[in-house]
Amino acid sequence: KNEVEQSPQNLTAQEGEFITINCSYSVGISALHWLQQHPGGGIVSLFMLSSGKKKHGRLIATINIQEKHSSLHITASHPRDSAVYICAAPKTGNQFYFGTGTSLTVIP
Amino acid sequence: NAGVTQTPKFQVLKTGQSMTLQCAQDMNHNSMYWYRQDPGMGLRLIYYSASEGTTDKGEVPNGYNVSRLNKREFSLRLESAAPSQTSVYFCASSERRRSGRAGETQYFGPGTRLLVL
Repeated sequence: KNEVEQSPQNLTAQEGEFITINCSYSVGISALHWLQQHPGGGIVSLFMLSSGKKKHGRLIATINIQEKHSSLHITASHPRDSAVYICAAPKTGNQFYFGTGTSLTVIP
Repeated sequence: NAGVTQTPKFQVLKTGQSMTLQCAQDMNHNSMYWYRQDPGMGLRLIYYSASEGTTDKGEVPNGYNVSRLNKREFSLRLESAAPSQTSVYFCASSERRRSGRAGETQYFGPGTRLLVL
């Protein structure tokens, strides 16, 4: 049983397209995290959000805590957005349930 | 600020060999973590150190040991490597300012690719 499920697993888009990645979780949390893993392997934290919406450049994250669902949107996608996007739900001790990631490829 | 650094970047071992993966952070963070990442699976926690002087097992600790050498450094040791330990290993750190159900942002190192033959 996976506490965090992401969809789709793989996504290919044309440059300029609007992209949505979904994350559903089954545990009770007060915030959800989104991370980005670059093709070279490095992992960076994108968002921590507990309600509503957060925006950083062309990336927008939304969350509905009651429905246990979050989405990551990318507007005007660009090849440099190609990466694996991971959602993570906190558990005790500052540990996380990690999703298996969505691999995004943006084609020029 | 270098952030979180890991050495080595890549290592090939033979079954039964031992090695230590090094991790250091310069952000004065209290908590440090070791994860492994395998294809088709999410990041899995091997060991963590909530604060200097403490270490605890994560989800997949078998075959590993850790040392929190000081506040900056957290090493992971494979005493007798097995092919099942072929993976990418990430070290991470966080401030550990508060507990609760929100979690804290973790800062990751660049990873170590380990191949055990």
